[in-house]
Amino acid sequence: DAGITQSPRHKVTETGTPVTLRCHQTENHRYMYWYRQDPGHGLRLIHYSYGVKDTDKGEVSDGYSVSRSKTEDFLLTLESATSSQTSVYFCAIRGGRANNEQFFGPGTRLTVL
Amino acid sequence: SQQGEEDPQALSIQEGENATMNCSYKTSINNLQWYRQNSGRGLVHLILIRSNEREKHSGRLRVTLDTSKKSSSLLITASRAADTASYFCATDPNNAGNMLTFGGGTRLMVKP
Repeated sequence: DAGITQSPRHKVTETGTPVTLRCHQTENHRYMYWYRQDPGHGLRLIHYSYGVKDTDKGEVSDGYSVSRSKTEDFLLTLESATSSQTSVYFCAIRGGRANNEQFFGPGTRLTVL
Repeated sequence: SQQGEEDPQALSIQEGENATMNCSYKTSINNLQWYRQNSGRGLVHLILIRSNEREKHSGRLRVTLDTSKKSSSLLITASRAADTASYFCATDPNNAGNMLTFGGGTRLMVKP
């Protein structure tokens, strides 16, 4: 699992509430990613980070913000959760022998009521 | 939008048979990768093929790449019930900063 943990693993929240998901890695990888996975859409990139305080938007960034104040932690925040953000969220890091493979965390299942 | 599109979306075979999944993509790539996802788990990297390679093997996996047709295939030989999972292709475009774009996946069921 490349030392990647996500918390919480499951969360149910109400529409309009803020939600923060945490991704933690133990191997000092520079690149970290947040994806969401929905039926019929595969994985879609939300935001990614290429270093401490260095982040950029992905394909589906609207409604999400991220922060990376330490190498090991990458936070995903839904400022005001909506039902359309009900999904499974995966964090990943970039690594491998040629540093071009991705290793995924176990996922967070988020339900917005 | 998805760069990779897998075909078929679902595949059911008997243990011992071969399973073939296809991936088509739209733009130029640096490499193409295949991942497996067991139910309720994160994706696991299987194999990477570079744009200048045509075929690659890893154990029971064989991947081909045809850049002229913008397509790749993943063959799993002598399938086992443990191969039951979803399989995704992911493309690494030339100028995308090494961000991967994933397809919608093929759900493979291997019946014992």
